[in-house]
Amino acid sequence: QVQLVESGGGLVKPGGSLRLSCAASGLTFRDYYMSWIRQAPGKGLEWISHISNSGSTKYYADSVKGRFTISRDNAKRSLYLEMSTLRAEDTAVYYCRGDYVFGGGQVYWGQGTLVTVSS
Amino acid sequence: EIVLAQSPGTLSLSPGERATLSCRASQSVSTSYLAWYQQKPGQAPRLLMYGAYNRATGIPDRFSGSGSGTDFTLTITRLEPEDFAVYYCQQYGRSPPYSFGQGTKLEIK
Repeated sequence: QVQLVESGGGLVKPGGSLRLSCAASGLTFRDYYMSWIRQAPGKGLEWISHISNSGSTKYYADSVKGRFTISRDNAKRSLYLEMSTLRAEDTAVYYCRGDYVFGGGQVYWGQGTLVTVSS
Repeated sequence: EIVLAQSPGTLSLSPGERATLSCRASQSVSTSYLAWYQQKPGQAPRLLMYGAYNRATGIPDRFSGSGSGTDFTLTITRLEPEDFAVYYCQQYGRSPPYSFGQGTKLEIK
């Protein structure tokens, strides 16, 4: 079955950096757009970044633009999020999500990884 | 940037009743790019509807979506105990950001 497994979360000090990974299995990774979506404790969902299936197109929310970088390695079936200059407001569960390029409702989410930014 | 406003914030109903959740966009959204998600505590969101009115795989037919332009609705007929959760709409059109609504909490009355 399809699995997306995030890793790399943890406790980091304000101003620090962290790299999240999302490992995919059970799907043809190169046929999926990938996104990172986060959820602060007790809050709603926030879309933060998207990458095309080839990796050539990337989008970011204003809240993370210039600080976060999304990337993917189709050969390794992995998605990444490099986060720098972290702030307390970046504290959240970070989910990766895959959307089949041809639609049809094939959307898969990982279980999330918690990032806590605190001194 | 398209802003999605969901109403009500909280909806208190009993099992067996009908739930109507609203998602209003600040600009017109293509029906092809409007989705609804269900999220239960401690779990990742689950896709319910895509393209505004298409049920995702495994979603029971008591869930239905409707609407167009700036007004979209998720309807749940005959609420089951497992339907009590938080529901989000999201637009994922041609241009980012691919915003979510703030959510509607459906709670047992």
